[in-house]
Amino acid sequence: DGGITQSPKYLFRKEGQNVTLSCEQNLNHDAMYWYRQDPGQGLRLIYYSQIVNDFQKGDIAEGYSVSREKKESFPLTVTSAQKNPTAFYLCAITRQGSTEAFFGQGTRLTVV
Amino acid sequence: GDSVTQMEGPVTLSEEAFLTINCTYTATGYPSLFWYVQYPGEGLQLLLKATKADDKGSNKGFEATYRKETTSFHLEKGSVQVSDSAVYFCALSESGTASKLTFGTGTRLQVTL
Repeated sequence: DGGITQSPKYLFRKEGQNVTLSCEQNLNHDAMYWYRQDPGQGLRLIYYSQIVNDFQKGDIAEGYSVSREKKESFPLTVTSAQKNPTAFYLCAITRQGSTEAFFGQGTRLTVV
Repeated sequence: GDSVTQMEGPVTLSEEAFLTINCTYTATGYPSLFWYVQYPGEGLQLLLKATKADDKGSNKGFEATYRKETTSFHLEKGSVQVSDSAVYFCALSESGTASKLTFGTGTRLQVTL
């Protein structure tokens, strides 16, 4: 089945722990993005990557890290430095020159 | 910087009512404009788009027209259904593609029988 897959769907983290969210795609799209969604605030860009082994900070990168070792994978690590990590995280992909972004189903992270 | 302003929700309508969700934007160039829809517990799906002034995007009975003079991209539907209940996001991309989208805060629509 083609598309973009985020896992897990739900994730619980203890305070002080790092946690990694997975985003995988098999559409051979070049660019991948991580957004954070909070109630009433829309989506905010955390990091994005337009090619393998390269990525840029978005508007709210503090407390997060990413890697892009393979074209199909763009994992997001939420570190202990992120003060308020409880949120819904969405991964998206775009093809170069396209006007359409495809989103994954999201991962809901809760700090307990 | 770029920004998108949407009308606050929730918007509650009866089935078959007319829907308008207002969206205005601020951008330095000539952005592409999008409406995305999010159903409960899911990611976002592209609903419609417009890439230049006076373009009209349409899909599933929804329409929006890119109005450069008023910097607006209002979403409309002539007759809503219960299945349209969702959160609707207006967004823009300054680069002209879907890269680096800037989103509004979202408008929740609730349609009742």
